[in-house]
Amino acid sequence: AQTVTQSQPEMSVQEAETVTLSCTYDTSENNYYLFWYKQPPSRQMILVIRQEAYKQQNATENRFSVNFQKAAKSFSLKISDSQLGDTAMYFCAFMTPNAGKSTFGDGTTLTVKP
Amino acid sequence: GAGVSQTPSNKVTEKGKYVELRCDPISGHTALYWYRQSLGQGPEFLIYFQGTGAADDSGLPNDRFFAVRPEGSVSTLKIQRTERGDSAVYLCASSPTGPYYNEQFFGPGTRLTVL
Repeated sequence: AQTVTQSQPEMSVQEAETVTLSCTYDTSENNYYLFWYKQPPSRQMILVIRQEAYKQQNATENRFSVNFQKAAKSFSLKISDSQLGDTAMYFCAFMTPNAGKSTFGDGTTLTVKP
Repeated sequence: GAGVSQTPSNKVTEKGKYVELRCDPISGHTALYWYRQSLGQGPEFLIYFQGTGAADDSGLPNDRFFAVRPEGSVSTLKIQRTERGDSAVYLCASSPTGPYYNEQFFGPGTRLTVL
């Protein structure tokens, strides 16, 4: 069974600064997908960024980028130029191809301070 | 277009009662997922539908939980003889077919409170 661990329950960052959220996972699979989801206080979860395990290049979406270390089974999220709207809970998730379920970590609550 | 919708947004019930939670996926999405999210935790997988059939129901905690998707669109999660431990936010998500099937679009959830 796959497990996802987010070791930072809470983090804070000053507006315009950079913050990195950690995620590690455990799997015996070689091909899989990794995701970061954002869940604002309004509750609806949205996809931030995703990475296919077979791709060596780290995914980037505007201010969001990942550091994917397959051998170390690590998948951290870097948020550059943090904005107040980035305040939310962030979940790391794992999925194998053609599978239905995603396995989620317990989340990191990020607060961006003005 | 419209996103995933879930009704009701909040449901309060008494221990032992039966409840139904509804999910309307994005039009054309063939995959539908149910998750349960307890306070301070990540979503926990319950069941996955591909079309009308349950492709993976390994996350349903016990036989009090059942879900259907009779026409391959709307899904209903049914909980019998509710217990206080069933209190949580129930999230629904859907995915399209094709190369982006693995991106899940989540609804706002139904907050279930069992008194």
